[in-house]
Amino acid sequence: QVTLKESGPALVKPTQTLTLTCTFSGLSLSTSGTRVSWIRQPPGKALEWLARIDWDDDKFYSTSLKTRLTISKDTSKNQVVLTMTNMDPVDTATYYCARMGGNYPRYYFDSWGQGTLVTVSS
Amino acid sequence: SYELTQSLSVSVDLGQTARITCGGNNIGSKNVHWYQQKPGQAPVLVIYNDNNRPSGIPERFSGSNSGNTATLTISRAQAGDEADYYCQMWDTNTAAFGGGTKLTVL
Repeated sequence: QVTLKESGPALVKPTQTLTLTCTFSGLSLSTSGTRVSWIRQPPGKALEWLARIDWDDDKFYSTSLKTRLTISKDTSKNQVVLTMTNMDPVDTATYYCARMGGNYPRYYFDSWGQGTLVTVSS
Repeated sequence: SYELTQSLSVSVDLGQTARITCGGNNIGSKNVHWYQQKPGQAPVLVIYNDNNRPSGIPERFSGSNSGNTATLTISRAQAGDEADYYCQMWDTNTAAFGGGTKLTVL
């Protein structure tokens, strides 16, 4: 059974850097074909994909946010970390991590964490 | 980036068939996936690769994709199907989501 859980601060101030951790079980980022993404959802709005990291350490980012995002993995801890710099109130959202299934170009998100709400406010 | 267009809301009578559409340029040449999201919960994959159901998803959920429109069909709609539904596809190393459709079961 695959489980993922997001953790991080509930509140950050504008201009600060956000660091979120996704801790998972039932999958391993040392296994070929394993991929994990971060996705966010502002309150009452749609889902927005942010970043992806693969078992071989390939990394991909949202075109509109790539200058602010960094994704990394710690295979020994079964964790994926996302950092987002220069936070703004518009970045207030629930942040999810999700395992990716399928093969290129048919990727989908088949297991999701519960999400963590991050509010950006001074 | 690729744009996916969904109607804001769809209503269906209890026990009838609901159809939720996702529009995009030549979307029929892509693979589309669908998620159900209930209030306060994470999304759940209900259809992948246009018309495949993950284990545990009822047969009432089906999908199709042709031309410029992908469709999620929910047969014999139940009160428990009330949720937001999102389409998604992968385009040149980025994921695109539709804006979401709120399904109301009357």
